[in-house]
Amino acid sequence: QITVKESGPTLVKPTQTLTLTCTFSGFSLSTSGVGVGWIRQPPGKALEWLALIYWNDDKRYSPSLKSRLTITKDTSKNQVVLTMTNMDPVDTATYHCAHAGLDTGVAGANRYFNVWGRGTLVTVSS
Amino acid sequence: QSVLTQPPSASGTPGQRVTISCSGSRSNIGTNAVNWYQQLPGTAPKLLIFSNNQRPSGVPDRFSGSKSGTSASLAISGLQSEDEADYYCATWDDSLNGPVFGGGTKLTVL
Repeated sequence: QITVKESGPTLVKPTQTLTLTCTFSGFSLSTSGVGVGWIRQPPGKALEWLALIYWNDDKRYSPSLKSRLTITKDTSKNQVVLTMTNMDPVDTATYHCAHAGLDTGVAGANRYFNVWGRGTLVTVSS
Repeated sequence: QSVLTQPPSASGTPGQRVTISCSGSRSNIGTNAVNWYQQLPGTAPKLLIFSNNQRPSGVPDRFSGSKSGTSASLAISGLQSEDEADYYCATWDDSLNGPVFGGGTKLTVL
């Protein structure tokens, strides 16, 4: 059974750097095809994808936030870390990590988030 | 402004069939498979449909998905009160080189 859980600060000040950790079990990030993503959701708003890291250390970032994001993995600890620099009040959101599954059926290669963490609410305020 | 366009709201009465649309472009829905997520109030999103029309284990067959061209739809038949939730479509965007989500549709069961 796959589980993922986010951890990190609940409150950060503007201009500070946010560091979030995703700790998972039930899979290994050294297994071919596996990925872990970060998605956030401001209060009352839609989901927004932030970053994705694959088993081979390939990384993808949201173009609009790429300059502020860094995603890394520690396979031995079963963890993925996301850092976001220069935090602003508009970055207040629930941050979720999720296991990214891969389907290679008739619809073609398809990456989807099949197991989500409950999320951690991060408030940016002075 | 989300890359994928969904109606902000939808509604139906118990037992009815409702559909939620998701409109994209050639670089996303037109080229890649669509996934749907259900987010019950106060909870994390849950995968509802993947690869256009596949249901993960445990998802009732009342939920179905389809895709045509640059649009996709989620259909819910035999609507139940517990289906009241936010629904999001998502797919990969080849231009942005990453996943994109719709703006979400709030489903109300009247």
